[in-house]
Formats: sequence, C-alpha cells, structure tokens
Amino acid sequence: GDSVTQMEGPVTLSEEAFLTINCTYTATGYPSLFWYVQYPGEGLQLLLKATKADDKGSNKGFEATYRKETTSFHLEKGSVQVSDSAVYFCALSEVSGSQGNLIFGKGTKLSVKP
Amino acid sequence: DTGVSQDPRHKITKRGQNVTFRCDPISEHNRLYWYRQTLGQGPEFLTYFQNEAQLEKSRLLSDRFSAERPKGSFSTLEIQRTEQGDSAMYLCASSLQAAPGAEAFFGQGTRLTVV
Repeated sequence: GDSVTQMEGPVTLSEEAFLTINCTYTATGYPSLFWYVQYPGEGLQLLLKATKADDKGSNKGFEATYRKETTSFHLEKGSVQVSDSAVYFCALSEVSGSQGNLIFGKGTKLSVKP
Repeated sequence: DTGVSQDPRHKITKRGQNVTFRCDPISEHNRLYWYRQTLGQGPEFLTYFQNEAQLEKSRLLSDRFSAERPKGSFSTLEIQRTEQGDSAMYLCASSLQAAPGAEAFFGQGTRLTVV
C-alpha cells in the first residue's frame, strides 16, 4: 500500500540555520503531496502542497518540490526562526474514485534555539 | 466559521466503558475524516464520510468502533468496551471536495486516556 517515510527527529537547529527534512513516498498512482505542521498545543495545519510532478509548493519561507523520479518531497527553509519550532508531517493523498484520505509520515520534531 | 471543532478535548475513562466523541466540520465541507494519532506517530486514517455516507473504513476500525454523520453535518465516533490500546488522540478533519490537493482542515483533537 501507499506509504510515506520521513527523516526521524528530533532536529535541533540554531536560528537562521538551513533546514532540510527529507520525505519519500511509495504510491501506485499519482498522489498529491503535502506538508502539515503542528505547533505546540495546536491542531495540524497545512503548510504547503504540490499536486503534480515538478510542482513546487511554498509558504512562510518553506519550499518543497514534487520529484517523481526520486519519489521525494523534501521540505527546506533557508533561515529558520524560533517560531518554526513544531512537528512537521509529510503526507500524500491518492485521489481516485472515492478516495482522498491522507497518509502521513511519523513526523519530525524541529526545535530552533535562539 | 471558526474551523473544525471537536468535543471533548480530553476524556479519561475506565477500561470497558463506552465513549463518544463529536466533530463539527466547517459548515460547507462535504467530506469528513476521522484519524487516530498515537505518541510519536503520524495520524492514521480511520474512516471518512461524503455527506452522510460512510464510504471507507480502515482495518484499524475494529467492530468496537462506530462512526456516524447524520444529515451530513456533525459526526460522532463511538468506542465501545474501551481498551488501554485505544488511548490516543482522535482527530477529525473536513474538506470541501476530493479534488487533487484539496486541503483538509483539522480540529485540535480529542485526547482519550483509558485507565
């Protein structure tokens, strides 16, 4: 079945450091790919998404490119802030027929120190 | 609209008791999903509704679990004869449609502890 694998955390960075969180997926069709973020004490929020190969999703300085050849959707940010401390989830959605539910990775906890 | 709301936020129950959770989706959303999240894991799909019809159930949804969405608005998730392994965060999400890339909006979840 479909699955998502993302790098295990926790990841601890200093403010203004470069961030990469790796995510790879296995899917039979052509999924949409997502990054969700969960800030402390809050619900999951969509951070960015891409619906087809070579699409780049971006939001709040974060970017991820849908790479079909490597089945990857790595999350990057050039300069992290303390406020980026959260748990990040990579997810895919197979939209075929009546499907549409999300399949999540295990999450990567990011801590940014001042 | 204030987003997806779930009630209660926390529930502690004794093993063997029944519990029911409620989810109120964003009003115009026709899809509603239930997920379960355990510590250190990502959310796992349980079931979803298109309007009032329950279209898919995960193998994680044992016979002790039942979900309803009468009239296609709010939804309830009931767990009968709770077990300690049912302790988890139960998340509800809703979306407008199943188009590619349709965003799912999540509630803050109901944390269940079975003692």
